[in-house]
Amino acid sequence: AQSVTQPDIHITVSEGASLELRCNYSYGATPYLFWYVQSPGQGLQLLLKYFSGDTLVQGIKGFEAEFKRSQSSFNLRKPSVHWSDAAEYFCAVGVGNTDKLIFGTGTRLQVFP
Amino acid sequence: GAGVSQTPSNKVTEKGKYVELRCDPISGHTALYWYRQSLGQGPEFLIYFQGTGAADDSGLPNDRFFAVRPEGSVSTLKIQRTERGDSAVYLCASSLSGQAGETQYFGPGTRLLVL
Repeated sequence: AQSVTQPDIHITVSEGASLELRCNYSYGATPYLFWYVQSPGQGLQLLLKYFSGDTLVQGIKGFEAEFKRSQSSFNLRKPSVHWSDAAEYFCAVGVGNTDKLIFGTGTRLQVFP
Repeated sequence: GAGVSQTPSNKVTEKGKYVELRCDPISGHTALYWYRQSLGQGPEFLIYFQGTGAADDSGLPNDRFFAVRPEGSVSTLKIQRTERGDSAVYLCASSLSGQAGETQYFGPGTRLLVL
């Protein structure tokens, strides 16, 4: 069965520090992978996605993610975190010909000044 | 409108009542998805529409849940005989055509509380 695992429920970093959020997926076919961010009271916003080509994907707000097929991973990174990045981050895989999304349980990012 | 809109933003109801949640997708988007997000969880897929038809309703938890999209734009999620376990945020998303890898644009959600 398809699934997404985000092992870190809660991460705390200092402003200006680097960030890596982990995501592992289970899917038999070529995956379409997504990272979404959800701020309090806001809808889910797409940060970036991978569906083919270059395995290093650039997104909005300075985020990037790397698809590693051998590790079934799609980790999200940012070299220098800003206080405004504090939010909940969700990794998802698009499955089937309907492209419904299977989400992980999310990682809550807290940023200290 | 510029994005996906959902109404109401909050709904409080009593156990056993019927509720309707509305989603207005981005104009021109033929694909529409409903998800449910319980506290501390990621969104879970409920149903997918391509145009007017429900192409995949495998995520609906039981027959108390039903959704329609009669004209291929606005969709309504209907929940009969609500239970306390139905309390969650119901999210709607739309994409241009539902092709694999397309971006799904999410609305702000409807927070449903069943007392």
